Amino acid sequence: GAVVSQHPSRVICKSGTSVKIECRSLDFQATTMFWYRQFPKQSLMLMATSNEGSKATYEQGVEKDKFLINHASLTLSTLTVTSAHPEDSSFYICSARVGSGGAETQYFGPGTRLLVL
Amino acid sequence: SQQGEEDPQALSIQEGENATMNCSYKTSINNLQWYRQNSGRGLVHLILIRSNEREKHSGRLRVTLDTSKKSSSLLITASRAADTASYFCGAGANNLFFGTGTRLTVIP
Repeated sequence: GAVVSQHPSRVICKSGTSVKIECRSLDFQATTMFWYRQFPKQSLMLMATSNEGSKATYEQGVEKDKFLINHASLTLSTLTVTSAHPEDSSFYICSARVGSGGAETQYFGPGTRLLVL
Repeated sequence: SQQGEEDPQALSIQEGENATMNCSYKTSINNLQWYRQNSGRGLVHLILIRSNEREKHSGRLRVTLDTSKKSSSLLITASRAADTASYFCGAGANNLFFGTGTRLTVIP
């Protein structure tokens, strides 16, 4: 299957700082990527859809000014958590979509664990 | 809103037995995808079934889809200890939404 990487895998930061997470599709191009967050033993919650060359589409309740998404190329999307607070601590996972015709498949990165002190 | 809901929430079986997990979803889909997640890791793609398919096999995996009932099942045959993980179904059209998953424990 297709490979998606995320960097960093783990980050600890102080409250009030900003953190950038990168999501890369390594062996394919993805016009659409997705960002999810997951709390322990819970489901993945879709935060936003990242479209190459255009603005991201955010799910209801997700602050677009808090979670900045940039999809500058067909292989890279970034999520920046601005002015992070302890409640932003979570597991952030990206995915990239490939394929068409009803066979669109999402491949996920390994996730980034964010801890805000 | 979440589209997929898995059932049961937890399942514990002996190695060699079969494991069946179910998933229900809420609206129209292009396809449904099953994933496995080990603790603290990302999701590993297992199998995709299109909305016009009813059954699909891949190795020890068998997936069924009933669009009239908006449900799917994942069967893992001859389970192994290494199959211990959480299993999620992702359902949707343009996006995938997930339930809380089924936590499978395979006892050696």
